Amino acid sequence: GQNIDQPTEMTATEGAIVQINCTYQTSGFNGLFWYQQHAGEAPTFLSYNVLDGLEEKGRFSSFLSRSKGYSYLLLKELQMKDSASYLCAIMDSNYQLIWGAGTKLIIKP
Amino acid sequence: IAGITQAPTSQILAAGRRMTLRCTQDMRHNAMYWYRQDLGLGLRLIHYSNTAGTTGKGEVPDGYSVSRANTDDFPLTLASAVPSQTSVYFCASSVEDSSTDTQYFGPGTRLTVL
Repeated sequence: GQNIDQPTEMTATEGAIVQINCTYQTSGFNGLFWYQQHAGEAPTFLSYNVLDGLEEKGRFSSFLSRSKGYSYLLLKELQMKDSASYLCAIMDSNYQLIWGAGTKLIIKP
Repeated sequence: IAGITQAPTSQILAAGRRMTLRCTQDMRHNAMYWYRQDLGLGLRLIHYSNTAGTTGKGEVPDGYSVSRANTDDFPLTLASAVPSQTSVYFCASSVEDSSTDTQYFGPGTRLTVL
């Protein structure tokens, strides 16, 4: 079967660093995506990993280990506007996205 | 450039009624998708279209139909709405479907079926 696991909710402090984990078991793998979704809004693309390693993009970085079925999203220098849900999604062998339920990140001053 | 638009923004519908959710994109993307998002669950694919004139079933297609008469429009129809179809519906598009192209999402339609 196909399964993507993320923590339901995390809390962090403004200015700090937070790591959001995603583990997966899917039929085939054609890449892993992270999206951000503010409450009441549409998901927006953050990052894409298809090879093992770290991809850095400003304050956000995403890591992938295909052998472990594991990824994380690292957010640095947290800002209040980073309060949102973060969605992990795998592109499977049929080139369809399988989505995790998302991690709600709460930033406290 | 609007990107992807959806209409209506929200709707309350009586069970048994027919409803069409509209989706239009102006990015000339070939692939389009309909998802539903329910609390505690990930986005689930309802139907997709690789290119104008073709459609396919996703994970949860029952009770829904789609058409793709042209590149820009991808309407989703509920033939006879049921309360379990209460959800937030997102339309998305990408350049192609057979690659790892990023999907871009519309603002969503919040549908309540009573």
